[in-house]
Amino acid sequence: GAGVSQSPRYKVAKRGQDVALRCDPISGHVSLFWYQQALGQGPEFLTYFQNEAQLDKSGLPSDRFFAERPEGSVSTLKIQRTQQEDSAVYLCASSPRTGGGNEQFFGPGTRLTVL
Amino acid sequence: DAKTTQPTSMDCAEGRAANLPCNHSTISGNEYVYWYRQIHSQGPQYIIHGLKNNETNEMASLIITEDRKSSTLILPHATLRDTAVYYCIVSVYNQGGKLIFGQGTELSVKP
Repeated sequence: GAGVSQSPRYKVAKRGQDVALRCDPISGHVSLFWYQQALGQGPEFLTYFQNEAQLDKSGLPSDRFFAERPEGSVSTLKIQRTQQEDSAVYLCASSPRTGGGNEQFFGPGTRLTVL
Repeated sequence: DAKTTQPTSMDCAEGRAANLPCNHSTISGNEYVYWYRQIHSQGPQYIIHGLKNNETNEMASLIITEDRKSSTLILPHATLRDTAVYYCIVSVYNQGGKLIFGQGTELSVKP
């Protein structure tokens, strides 16, 4: 079956531009996570959805970052007025259930480069 | 949040067992230990997880000490394709299961 897909795979933005990154989770998965991975570092948690509800956004680095999952499936991570420090790989993961003890399935990531 | 410590890098000969250690001395009673790996330019891949007991699946074995303060991931017969960064993670159970990654161990399997 299809895994988690993300688009675009690569995005180059000029500083100050807005970008939107899309995540298509595995069908039927309840939980969806966004992570940010800077070069040479481990992924860092950004936000978590249970169906359409955003239950944890404690990892979003600033109010320029916004995520949504309006119908409980596809999710979009939007970054407004991009800055050079936003350059990273943005990973999406989904899980069939909630809570600990569950495997997360990761997509390939979107590599964002802000010039 | 519990934190983990892992060696920065390890080498292993192809065909031999790779034993990757992890310390998580501040783990809470209902937090799981997860292992993921990340091959270059790919998203992380789940390997195995456990709470208290040792676990085994087709990829690896997970040995958790009785006090749960450390664990070891064992790849029984490492291949070149197992070269990756391996992350030991403690899951914050009551926060939706978000994963807190550290720096991981870069495992190089050599022929």
